[in-house]
Amino acid sequence: GAVVSQHPSWVICKSGTSVKIECRSLDFQATTMFWYRQFPKQSLMLMATSNEGSKATYEQGVEKDKFLINHASLTLSTLTVTSAHPEDSSFYICSARDFNAGLAGGTNEQFFGPGTRLTVL
Amino acid sequence: GQSLEQPSEVTAVEGAIVQINCTYQTSGFYGLSWYQQHDGGAPTFLSYNALDGLEETGRFSSFLSRSDSYGYLLLQELQMKDSASYFCALGTGGYNKLIFGAGTRLAVHP
Repeated sequence: GAVVSQHPSWVICKSGTSVKIECRSLDFQATTMFWYRQFPKQSLMLMATSNEGSKATYEQGVEKDKFLINHASLTLSTLTVTSAHPEDSSFYICSARDFNAGLAGGTNEQFFGPGTRLTVL
Repeated sequence: GQSLEQPSEVTAVEGAIVQINCTYQTSGFYGLSWYQQHDGGAPTFLSYNALDGLEETGRFSSFLSRSDSYGYLLLQELQMKDSASYFCALGTGGYNKLIFGAGTRLAVHP
């Protein structure tokens, strides 16, 4: 089956530093990847849609200058949390959809990475 | 905008059947998906409905009524390992992105 990896799985950083999280589709190509944020016992909140070779589309209320997204290839998207603060501490999860699945066809299944737990001190 | 509503918690016993309902509001609709997430884990895909009716996948089934903006996930022959959070998610927008409901925590007891 389709596998999505994330690195690192957890990170602890000091307030004011930047943290980069990588999301890779290991055995399929993903023109579109998605970044979510999840607080304990809460839902997944979509932050942005990442498209290969173009600018990311951010959801309302998400600061694009704080959460930088780069989708440099069909298998890699990165999320950089800039000038992190304790309130940015959360579980960040990426997902990818198989390029061959298409927009309106198939099951619209998204394959999720294992997540990255960010703790900002 | 989009919104989804689902019950926050459901409790059931092993071997029983449970139905988790989901109602939604949206201006654009591709389909309704269901995902399972165990504590600390990644969400995993369970089922998807783009058209009205019932989709069956093993012990799990999902139903959609677009005219009622309503769907449900049916879990049969419950097992302890089914204890998890279940999310309905709306496929919408230009990239068929997923907007998740708040999730339903299912606790299965012996």
